[in-house]
Amino acid sequence: EDQVTQSPEALRLQEGESSSLNCSYTVSGLRGLFWYRQDPGKGPEFLFTLYSAGEEKEKERLKATLTKKESFLHITAPKPEDSATYLCAVQAGSQGNLIFGKGTKLSVKP
Amino acid sequence: SQTIHQWPATLVQPVGSPLSLECTVEGTSNPNLYWYRQAAGRGLQLLFYSVGIGQISSEVPQNLSASRPQDRQFILSSKKLLLSDSGFYLCAWRLTYEQYFGPGTRLTVT
Repeated sequence: EDQVTQSPEALRLQEGESSSLNCSYTVSGLRGLFWYRQDPGKGPEFLFTLYSAGEEKEKERLKATLTKKESFLHITAPKPEDSATYLCAVQAGSQGNLIFGKGTKLSVKP
Repeated sequence: SQTIHQWPATLVQPVGSPLSLECTVEGTSNPNLYWYRQAAGRGLQLLFYSVGIGQISSEVPQNLSASRPQDRQFILSSKKLLLSDSGFYLCAWRLTYEQYFGPGTRLTVT
């Protein structure tokens, strides 16, 4: 069964304290791995797509990497405005539907 | 650029009442459309998806239904709401790989 597991469930950081979020997956025929950011009461906002092991994408303080079994979202020198829930999803199969993890809630304190 | 709208933003309905949530997309043609429900601690659950007008696929059995009367319009309905239908309902669209989400509708069934 296709599955996505994110860890930790919650992460509290001090401003400037770098860390990483993990997304491990088991899926047959990975077609893409996606990272989203979700603020409370809003829809998820697309961040990155990764297609193959070894691929990396960067945006401001965020960097996403992909291996054959997991993806990491690295946050460098986070700021309070980076506080949000980060969702990971994988796309498998011909229909292109996404399977989401439960997310990691990140809190960055000033 | 593409824009996705959902309404209403919030809704409080009694058990047994009907439901109609609407989603429209602007700036694109023939997108794949999706309805998700997000409940606390359970992550995003795919409810329905559509690859074209009148074409609806259901992912989970439930008392909800979906329709796509126009290319860029997706409607989620119920004849009689249950308490368990409460949640945050999200519409999304996809053209190539990434899915883009709307602002969501917060539904509370009382």
